[in-house]
Amino acid sequence: DQQVKQNSPSLSVQEGRISILNCDYTNSMFDYFLWYKKYPAEGPTFLISISSIKDKNEDGRFTVFLNKSAKHLSLHIVPSQPGDSAVYFCASSSNTGKLIFGQGTTLQVKP
Amino acid sequence: DVKVTQSSRYLVKRTGEKVFLECVQDMDHENMFWYRQDPGLGLRLIYFSYDVKMKEKGDIPEGYSVSREKKERFSLILESASTNQTSMYLCASSDEETQYFGPGTRLLVL
Repeated sequence: DQQVKQNSPSLSVQEGRISILNCDYTNSMFDYFLWYKKYPAEGPTFLISISSIKDKNEDGRFTVFLNKSAKHLSLHIVPSQPGDSAVYFCASSSNTGKLIFGQGTTLQVKP
Repeated sequence: DVKVTQSSRYLVKRTGEKVFLECVQDMDHENMFWYRQDPGLGLRLIYFSYDVKMKEKGDIPEGYSVSREKKERFSLILESASTNQTSMYLCASSDEETQYFGPGTRLLVL
C-alpha cells in the first residue's frame, strides 16, 4: 500500500510562472515532511522540510504547505526557472528515522 | 557540508556475480540507508542501519545483504546478481530526520 503518493508523474510550466507539486499521504502518524530534488544520474538533494506543527515553511523561491486534515502537502516554486527542471520527491517520516518516498514528479520548466 | 560518497558511479556486472557497493559518509551520522530507485516507483528502502554492526531490513531486502563494520561505512552486497537488480542504487546518511544522499551507482546486470 502506497503511503505517500504523488499522483502527477509530470508537470510542465513556463519560465517565470508558478510550479505546484502535490503529495498525499495516508498515515496520520507522519509528523515530518520533506521535498527532494533529483537530476538525472545524481543523488537526491534535500530542498525543504516542514514539521507537522506548522502549515507553511518558506525558503527563497520554495514554499511548502501542509494541510493535515486533508493529509496533503504541496511545494510551490515561484518564479520557476529552467534549472528547476528535475524530478521532485516528497517524503514523510514518523520519527523513526525512516523516510517513505512518493513516486516522484518530473518538472519541466520551459524557457 | 555533509558528504556521502559511493564507490562507483556506473557498474556493469554479469548474472550470478557477487557485487559490492560501498558508501562512506564524513559527518559522523548514526544512521545509514540503502535505496534503489526505479522509474515510476520512487525510492524504495532496501536496508538501513542505526549503529555499527546493526542492520535492519527495509521494504525490499530480498537478494541483498549489508555490512556496517565502521560508523562511516555502509556496504550493500548482491550475493548473486540478477537482471531484475539493474537499477540506480542510492546511499544516504542522517542523524535526525533529514537524509543526505550520495551521487548514486547505476548498476547494469547483464
